[in-house]
Amino acid sequence: AQKVTQAQTEISVVEKEDVTLDCVYETRDTTYYLFWYKQPPSGELVFLIRRNSFDEQNEISGRYSWNFQKSTSSFNFTITASQVVDSAVYFCALSLDTGANSKLTFGKGITLSVRP
Amino acid sequence: EAGVTQSPTHLIKTRGQQATLRCSPISGHTSVYWYQQALGLGLQFLLWYDEGEERNRGNFPPRFSGRQFPNYSSELNVNALELEDSALYLCASSGRTGTFYSNQPQHFGDGTRLSIL
Repeated sequence: AQKVTQAQTEISVVEKEDVTLDCVYETRDTTYYLFWYKQPPSGELVFLIRRNSFDEQNEISGRYSWNFQKSTSSFNFTITASQVVDSAVYFCALSLDTGANSKLTFGKGITLSVRP
Repeated sequence: EAGVTQSPTHLIKTRGQQATLRCSPISGHTSVYWYQQALGLGLQFLLWYDEGEERNRGNFPPRFSGRQFPNYSSELNVNALELEDSALYLCASSGRTGTFYSNQPQHFGDGTRLSIL
């Protein structure tokens, strides 16, 4: 069975600080996909990134960056120079590359509060 | 491009009643997923439909059921509602490349908040 652990439950930072959201996953499969989603107060889940298990390259998109390390089964997300609009719940998720297991297994989520 | 749309936004029911939630996927997407986000329980997978067939279901009782229509829209039905069914129900859709369902990310709607009194 798959498992995603987000040990941090709540993080509070002041605007312009950098913040890293941790994600640790467990799976016995060698092919899998990792995701990050953002859930603002309005409720919808916004897709941020997808990574497959064969691509360990780090990715940067504007102020967002992701660090994927298979050796530690981690897929961490860093927001540089945080802004108030980054306040949301962030979910890390995993899915397998087989039809019946394409469902997303989510972590519990991390509530990020960015204060002005 | 229109995103995933869900209706209604809010639904209030009493114990024992039945609820029907609706979802329209992004145009071109054939897969629809349903998730429950209940307080304290996180996001849990409920059901997955693709090409009109139920492909997988999560660890939920049979009173949670649904279907997918020829236009790929979907309904989630919850019978004999219980207080613990109060939650945000999120629908997601995705396309696929060949036979690999996980090649495309799931895109979510705004959800239906179901409240059981």
